[in-house]
Amino acid sequence: AQSVAQPEDQVNVAEGNPLTVKCTYSVSGNPYLFWYVQYPNRGLQFLLKYITGDNLVKGSYGFEAEFNKSQTSFHLKKPSALVSDSALYFCAVRDYLANTGFQKLVFGTGTRLLVSP
Amino acid sequence: ETGVTQTPRHLVMGMTNKKSLKCEQHLGHNAMYWYKQSAKKPLELMFVYSLEERVENNSVPSRFSPECPNSSHLFLHLHTLQPEDSALYLCASSQTTSGGGTDTQYFGPGTRLTVL
Repeated sequence: AQSVAQPEDQVNVAEGNPLTVKCTYSVSGNPYLFWYVQYPNRGLQFLLKYITGDNLVKGSYGFEAEFNKSQTSFHLKKPSALVSDSALYFCAVRDYLANTGFQKLVFGTGTRLLVSP
Repeated sequence: ETGVTQTPRHLVMGMTNKKSLKCEQHLGHNAMYWYKQSAKKPLELMFVYSLEERVENNSVPSRFSPECPNSSHLFLHLHTLQPEDSALYLCASSQTTSGGGTDTQYFGPGTRLTVL
């Protein structure tokens, strides 16, 4: 089965500094990877996804993610953090439901990002 | 978040009550999902419906009963719940494609359920 791991429960960064939220994956075949963000009392919002092609994927709100096959990583990045970026971030990978071929997403445990003023 | 709406946003119920959660998607998608989000746990996929047929049950207790009357609406009927069922219940939708398509799922704001 496909899986992702988010090794950090929380990441702290000062406003204006670059941020990185880490994600590593374990898949058979080509990985299809996603990042979602969850603000307090809200659902998950799609940020970006990697399917194939360019290893640097650009997404919403100035976020980008770098796919690294040799390190099996898909870290989320932003050059300059904002206080409003403080939220819970989830990495996910596409998998298939057994015996159906139907796609599903497998999520990591989430990383809380705190951006201080 | 107007693409996928969920009602109610908050629900408090006793263990003997019967209630229902509602989800509606306005994106023209053909698949809908229920997830359970508990503190310190990964999102748990509960049910998947594709073209109004249940694809995955995922070993959810029978006190949770889904219903998908059409491709835009999804319900989760609740009865005789336990306190450990308290969680945020998230609905999502996607446009499924056969073959090599990759479905981006779009989520609603969730229903915060508290079981007393």
